[in-house]
Amino acid sequence: GQNIDQPTEMTATEGAIVQINCTYQTSGFNGLFWYQQHAGEAPTFLSYNVLDGLEEKGRFSSFLSRSKGYSYLLLKELQMKDSASYLCAVRLHSGNTPLVFGKGTRLSVIA
Amino acid sequence: DAGVIQSPRHEVTEMGQEVTLRCKPISGHNSLFWYRQTMMRGLELLIYFNNNVPIDDSGMPEDRFSAKMPNASFSTLKIQPSEPRDSAVYFCASSWDRGWYNEQFFGPGTRLTVL
Repeated sequence: GQNIDQPTEMTATEGAIVQINCTYQTSGFNGLFWYQQHAGEAPTFLSYNVLDGLEEKGRFSSFLSRSKGYSYLLLKELQMKDSASYLCAVRLHSGNTPLVFGKGTRLSVIA
Repeated sequence: DAGVIQSPRHEVTEMGQEVTLRCKPISGHNSLFWYRQTMMRGLELLIYFNNNVPIDDSGMPEDRFSAKMPNASFSTLKIQPSEPRDSAVYFCASSWDRGWYNEQFFGPGTRLTVL
């Protein structure tokens, strides 16, 4: 089976930096995605990594190490609106193929 | 541009009834995915289509579930008969092959409650 692990919950303070880790053991690998999902809403795409290293997009960065089966999402200058679930997902095969999702990390940003 | 459209947004039904969920993908997208989300199991793939053809339905729980995509702009997911354990949020997502990351766009979901 496919295994994608992330912490269930995290809490961080407004203005701070938080790192959400994801480890994966899957039968294939063709990229790792991070999605954000606010309560009661649809997941929305945040970032994609297929090569090792760091991808930066404004306040959000995502890192990948394929040899370690490890990724993290880094959120800087946290805002209250960043309170949401963050889903790590792996695409096993190339092309327009499905994603295998972790169960998500629920982040609470407090004042 | 309209995103992925799903209907109904909420459905409450009684055990044994037939339920039909509907999805309209983003125009021009050639892949469509049905996922189900529960607290216990997270987001799981049920079935996906490429160019209206079902490719992988191994995630469909059992024969009570069926999905169709009669044309590029419409898909249905049917549960018959429904059971309480089918209660979940059902998401439809679509994407197109841009050759790089083929991001999936999710619809707002249908929250299904089976009593």
